Amino acid sequence: QQKVQQSPESLIVPEGGMASLNCTSSDRNVDYFWWYRQHSGKSPKMLMSIFSNGEKEEGRFTVHLNKASLHTSLHIRDSQPSDSALYLCAAADTNAYKVIFGKGTHLHVLP
Amino acid sequence: GPKVLQIPSHQIIDMGQMVTLNCDPVSNHLYFYWYKQILGQQMEFLVNFYNGKVMEKSKLFKDQFSVERPDGSYFTLKIQPTALEDSAVYFCASSSGAYAEQFFGPGTRLTVL
Repeated sequence: QQKVQQSPESLIVPEGGMASLNCTSSDRNVDYFWWYRQHSGKSPKMLMSIFSNGEKEEGRFTVHLNKASLHTSLHIRDSQPSDSALYLCAAADTNAYKVIFGKGTHLHVLP
Repeated sequence: GPKVLQIPSHQIIDMGQMVTLNCDPVSNHLYFYWYKQILGQQMEFLVNFYNGKVMEKSKLFKDQFSVERPDGSYFTLKIQPTALEDSAVYFCASSSGAYAEQFFGPGTRLTVL
């Protein structure tokens, strides 16, 4: 059973549009969430982390977290073709020794 | 920004042989990780290493796998013996704290024939 589920698997948005990505953990012990971006053939790079309920914004990126439902979402406004990548959601429990990644969302931003 | 280095970038070996993957983590980082990724898909956690010990490992971290970081040198993943299903890209990552950003290396592409 996949403990970190991401949706959709693939997303196509026009340049300048809004991309919304979702992630839910089925492990009630999860306390921490991260969003990473991985361009094709490259290594993942962290975009944002969120550990508390609410919203966090950095530039064009906004993350939300609802700890009661263990759901986090990443929103990218004014999407650019360079945002095309695999977006990975990662989660960990209180110890944070084991970080579980979801299967990712492939985002394609069309010029 | 901080960089994690991995050596080699590619490795091709015959099934049953031993392989050692090397990682040079960010210098002041304390937590080290290995991940396995097949065909640019899911990043699978293998192991977390801190203070000279394995803190957590997944079911993918088979008995044939071992990690060590002798005297602050490379953080290594050894597979002995290798199997066909070990073919993948192996990413090393390091972080300054358990909840801190993990910095990933460029990966080692391992092909087991």
